[in-house]
Amino acid sequence: SYVLTQSPSVSVAPGQTANITCGANDIGEYSVHWYQQKPGQAPVLVVHDDSDRPSGIPERFSGSNSGSTATLTISRVEAGDEADYFCQVWDGNTDHVVFGGGTKLTVL
Amino acid sequence: QVQLQESGPGLVNPSQTLSLTCTVSGGSISGGGYYWTWIRQHPGKGLEWIGYIFYSGTTFYNPSLKSRVTILVDTSKNQFSLKLTSVTAADTAVYYCARRVVMVTAPFDSWGQGTLVTVSS
Repeated sequence: SYVLTQSPSVSVAPGQTANITCGANDIGEYSVHWYQQKPGQAPVLVVHDDSDRPSGIPERFSGSNSGSTATLTISRVEAGDEADYFCQVWDGNTDHVVFGGGTKLTVL
Repeated sequence: QVQLQESGPGLVNPSQTLSLTCTVSGGSISGGGYYWTWIRQHPGKGLEWIGYIFYSGTTFYNPSLKSRVTILVDTSKNQFSLKLTSVTAADTAVYYCARRVVMVTAPFDSWGQGTLVTVSS
C-alpha cells in the first residue's frame, strides 16, 4: 500500500515561515490535499490538489508538490495556526484513500 | 452549505457491533456527485479511512477493515451508516463522516464534528 511520511513535529516562531512536508515515492504524480486539525475539532481542508486554496483559507497557506515530496507552506505564522496538519492522496491503483501520519505545528 | 452530523452510542461492548449514522443536511445524497465517507481517528493518532458509499449503494472499504465493515445509505432519510462488527478496544476512536466529490483526486471538503466511540465493558 502507498505510505505517506510526515515529520511528527515542526516548531516555528510567530511571523516566520513553516514548511510541513509529506514524503512518498513519486508523490509528485499524485494530487495532494492538506487538512488542519485543531484540538477537539474536525479536520478542515486548507489546500487541495497540491496548491489550491478553498474559499476562506488565507493566502498565507500554500502548497507545492514535486518528485518525492509535497510541502505545505504557512507564511507569517500566527498563534492560531498551531494545529496538526495531515496530507492525503487518492491511490488510483487501489481506489483507496491514504493519509499521512500528521505533523504537529507548534508556534513558539 | 452541506452539514454532516454523526450519531450513535458512545459506548460499545467488546465483541459487539458498532453502529453509527451520519445525517446530511443542506444537500441531497440522492443527487449524486459525492462519495459519503467514514473516517476514524484513534486517540492522539492520525486519520484512518474506513470506507465510502455512493448514493447507488456502491461501496469501497479499507482492506484492513473490510471483513468487519458495512456502509449503507438511506436516501429517503438522507443518511448513511456505518456498522463495524466484532469490535475491540483497538476500535476506540473518534468517528467522522465526510464527503468528497466523485472525482478521482477530490479532497474531503465537508466533515461532521465527529463522535467518540469507546469500546469497553
